[in-house]
Amino acid sequence: AQSVAQPEDQVNVAEGNPLTVKCTYSVSGNPYLFWYVQYPNRGLQFLLKYITGDNLVKGSYGFEAEFNKSQTSFHLKKPSALVSDSALYFCAVPSGAGSYQLTFGKGTKLSVIP
Amino acid sequence: DAGITQSPRHKVTETGTPVTLRCHQTENHRYMYWYRQDPGHGLRLIHYSYGVKDTDKGEVSDGYSVSRSKTEDFLLTLESATSSQTSVYFCAISERVTYEQYFGPGTRLTVT
Repeated sequence: AQSVAQPEDQVNVAEGNPLTVKCTYSVSGNPYLFWYVQYPNRGLQFLLKYITGDNLVKGSYGFEAEFNKSQTSFHLKKPSALVSDSALYFCAVPSGAGSYQLTFGKGTKLSVIP
Repeated sequence: DAGITQSPRHKVTETGTPVTLRCHQTENHRYMYWYRQDPGHGLRLIHYSYGVKDTDKGEVSDGYSVSRSKTEDFLLTLESATSSQTSVYFCAISERVTYEQYFGPGTRLTVT
């Protein structure tokens, strides 16, 4: 089975500083990888995905993610954090090769401090 | 929330009672999913559907059943609710070719 891990339950960053939310993956073959964000009392929102191609993927709200095959990582980044970025972030991977079901990480709570 | 509604949004029920949650989409997407979200567990798949009357079990299906009689509606039923089913339930939809899923606003269920 394919899986992702988010090693940090919580990340705190000062407003205006760069932010990174970490994700590592374990897949067979070429990975499809996703990031979602969940604001309080809302459903998850799709941010970006990596299918193939450029290792730097750009997504919504100024977020980007860097795919690193040698480190099996897919970290979410943003150059300058906003207080409104405070939310829960999930990375995800298809549950199996060719599967359309997703397996989610346990989530990382990002707090941006004014 | 991408043309997805869930009802009810909040429900409190007693142990042993049946509960049905409804997911309705206006996107005509083929695939629909039910997840539960619990602290420390992230999202876990309960059941999913790959077409009308085509459903299958997910990771945590015990105690839950689903039905899909129309493309737009996917129902999740707890036949006899237990306190361990207190959770936030999310419906999601997708088209296979794009993989990404789009989520509804969630239903907060409390079983007392």
